[in-house]
Amino acid sequence: QVQLQQSGAELVKPGSSVKISCKASGYTFTSYDMHWIKQQPGNGLEWIGWIYPGNGNTKYNQKFNGKATLTADKSSSTAYMQLSSLTSEDSAVYFCARLGTGSWFDYWGQGVMVTVSS
Amino acid sequence: DIQMTQSPASLSASLGETVTIECLASEDIYSNLAWYQQKPGKSPQLLIYYANSLNDGVPSRFSGSGSGTQYSLKINSLQSEDVSIYFCQQNYDSPWTFGGGTKLELK
Repeated sequence: QVQLQQSGAELVKPGSSVKISCKASGYTFTSYDMHWIKQQPGNGLEWIGWIYPGNGNTKYNQKFNGKATLTADKSSSTAYMQLSSLTSEDSAVYFCARLGTGSWFDYWGQGVMVTVSS
Repeated sequence: DIQMTQSPASLSASLGETVTIECLASEDIYSNLAWYQQKPGKSPQLLIYYANSLNDGVPSRFSGSGSGTQYSLKINSLQSEDVSIYFCQQNYDSPWTFGGGTKLELK
């Protein structure tokens, strides 16, 4: 069965960077876009961008240009998101989600809580 | 960006009741709309896509409707396991955007 297993919670300092992972299993990793979505406490969901692991193509929400960098490792079926120049506004839960046929988020990771604090 | 406005923001209903959640897009999204359910402490799960298509394994008491800019999610015969936050999402145009969510609680 399809599973997206994300890395553990992170506590990071303002101004630093963090890289979180999303390991896919149960399907052909290189055949589906992987998307990343942000959820701040008590807030809704924000789409960050996607990567197509088959060729590394990416597309970002303009709001996250320069903030998020998406990569993928085909050998380990793992997608990564690096967040840079962290501030308190980046404290949130970050989900990876597979874009299924029909262009809907059909499988989600469990989420990674990133806390930015000195 | 296309703005998605959900209403109500919160809703309290009794077991067995029928509830409806609305989602208004700032422009025509041609039924490119999904509904997701997020239970406390969990990730969102796809319920409805293309405005009215039920995802595999989703109980038939859930249904979606709408077109143009106005969409709705209906839950018939509310069950305790339906306590969740519900989000709408459009994928008609980038950046893909979500509604602010509707928190459904039991009365």
